[in-house]
Amino acid sequence: GAGVSQSPSNKVTEKGKDVELRCDPISGHTALYWYRQRLGQGLEFLIYFQGNSAPDKSGLPSDRFSAERTGESVSTLTIQRTQQEDSAVYLCASSLGLAGGGNEQFFGPGTRLTVL
Amino acid sequence: SQQGEEDPQALSIQEGENATMNCSYKTSINNLQWYRQNSGRGLVHLILIRSNEREKHSGRLRVTLDTSKKSSSLLITASRAADTASYFCATRGSNYKLTFGKGTLLTVNP
Repeated sequence: GAGVSQSPSNKVTEKGKDVELRCDPISGHTALYWYRQRLGQGLEFLIYFQGNSAPDKSGLPSDRFSAERTGESVSTLTIQRTQQEDSAVYLCASSLGLAGGGNEQFFGPGTRLTVL
Repeated sequence: SQQGEEDPQALSIQEGENATMNCSYKTSINNLQWYRQNSGRGLVHLILIRSNEREKHSGRLRVTLDTSKKSSSLLITASRAADTASYFCATRGSNYKLTFGKGTLLTVNP
């Protein structure tokens, strides 16, 4: 596709439910990132995938958060037993990775998650 | 802790005026990037400046970098109402990670 796509664009869920967010990166981009952005705040790094290397999960806030990526394509971010403080916009970005030089990141439109 | 910190947090100007936003960071960097975000959704990459560069231009944008002061500035000249957005700086160190600041909310009044 032309850009990074994310689905769903909006998700409202009840506290305690699990949610799965999806990201389709730009074709050919080996690096994929997930960020969380709370209202009025900056971006909070969650996880990074680079090719077939082990992902950097250092930003995941708790063991309720996990993410997977199949090869260099789609990624899913799963939040189990959602809490109200999980409410935020979840942004995915992709880039050419280390071989891409500058490491400019291309962002998707985000998924706005609301936990009631 | 936050690597990049933008200043001011909010800026309101009239159309046609110039807007200047600043970013300070703490550790050594490989490059520094500026992004724009409209309506709290996806970010758009604006410009990248490498650690060995001091100034860079792109259209109405001018970015400076002072590695001795660990600071950068973004100047938008002849601002337009459509420039209204949040602007973030992001620093890249020796690895792949970008660390974002909290952003400057720019409002350009018609």
